[in-house]
Amino acid sequence: NAGVMQNPRHLVRRRGQEARLRCSPMKGHSHVYWYRQLPEEGLKFMVYLQKENIIDESGMPKERFSAEFPKEGPSILRIQQVVRGDSAAYFCASSPPSMNTEAFFGQGTRLTVV
Amino acid sequence: AQSVTQLGSHVSVSEGALVLLRCNYSSSVPPYLFWYVQYPNQGLQLLLKYTTGATLVKGINGFEAEFKKSETSFHLTKPSAHMSDAAEYFCAVSDAGGTSYGKLTFGQGTILTVHP
Repeated sequence: NAGVMQNPRHLVRRRGQEARLRCSPMKGHSHVYWYRQLPEEGLKFMVYLQKENIIDESGMPKERFSAEFPKEGPSILRIQQVVRGDSAAYFCASSPPSMNTEAFFGQGTRLTVV
Repeated sequence: AQSVTQLGSHVSVSEGALVLLRCNYSSSVPPYLFWYVQYPNQGLQLLLKYTTGATLVKGINGFEAEFKKSETSFHLTKPSAHMSDAAEYFCAVSDAGGTSYGKLTFGQGTILTVHP
């Protein structure tokens, strides 16, 4: 059973461009979480999604950031008009539908804005 | 709101020595507590978790942690450090309340260095 797959592993974008980060959850997992890890900081929760639904987006910046988890395909975290401060590692985690099961993390996408 | 404080951003031990990484939390509801390990340029791997029941929890790679409600602590220990334990360790609390363990509040992390 493959783990949580994130791609790309590294992404370089110029200021003002769009960044798209993809996350394929583990087989059978229908819950996806996105986290951001800024340099010298711990992980910060961004958004929690289930298939076709955003459950909790309390950690998402109000502008430029959006996330989706369509019925088919991976979850996408989209950052529009990137700025230098968006440079970070973005981690996705997934968990199965059953309650009380820990989430499994992907290896992350390291975004660098130049 | 929940919060996690990890005391000591860097801990250095000798190979074979005791490892003690400290974690204190605050939570208005009974917490679910986790320790994760992150190796360079890798994702997070779950070491152990406390949900209910026995307060001394054993995890992978010889690590264990004890939930102490009176001290609001969940310190991570390992009797004898190995070179391969060098990594960053994160303590986390779940905002679950019975919904999901996936929404976590993390501490700042502790980088463990192991000297030969």
